[in-house]
Amino acid sequence: GNSVTQMEGPVTLSEEAFLTINCTYTATGYPSLFWYVQYPGEGLQLLLKATKADDKGSNKGFEATYRKETTSFHLEKGSVQVSDSAVYFCALIIASGGSYIPTFGRGTSLIVHP
Amino acid sequence: DTGVSQNPRHKITKRGQNVTFRCDPISEHNRLYWYRQTLGQGPEFLTYFQNEAQLEKSRLLSDRFSAERPKGSFSTLEIQRTEQGDSAMYLCASSGGTVSYEQYFGPGTRLTVT
Repeated sequence: GNSVTQMEGPVTLSEEAFLTINCTYTATGYPSLFWYVQYPGEGLQLLLKATKADDKGSNKGFEATYRKETTSFHLEKGSVQVSDSAVYFCALIIASGGSYIPTFGRGTSLIVHP
Repeated sequence: DTGVSQNPRHKITKRGQNVTFRCDPISEHNRLYWYRQTLGQGPEFLTYFQNEAQLEKSRLLSDRFSAERPKGSFSTLEIQRTEQGDSAMYLCASSGGTVSYEQYFGPGTRLTVT
């Protein structure tokens, strides 16, 4: 089956530090990959996506590159802000046989201190 | 486009009561999903509609749970004879893409069973 593994949290950083949240996956087909962010008490928001190998998704200073050879989609940001504190979810979807059900990781909590 | 909306945002009920939640997806999206999320976990898939057809249902889903999407627009999720273990955030998402299949989430309904 399909699975997504994220690094354990919480990740605690000072403002302006560099962020990496690791995500690796196993998939029975060719997935599209996503990062979602969830702020307290809210639903998930799509942060960025990549649909094929070597694609780089980017948004709001966050980036992730689809690495097929290492089955990874690590999230990075060069300089985090306090407002980036949230839970980040890595996910994949394989649209095979008409099924579009995503597989989510367990989430990584990010805490950014001033 | 107003995004995905869910009502109510919060529901407190006594054990044994029935509850119903509503989700209004993005209007042009034909796929609609329900998830359950507990603290510290990622979204757990419950069921999926394409237009009005319920195409998949989690094997973990108790028969106390039922969902409908009668006209292929809004959807309802009903939980009968609620139990304390049903306390969670219930998330709805919609999708309509044909390339990357990203999902757009509503704010969720938080259910507390006392």
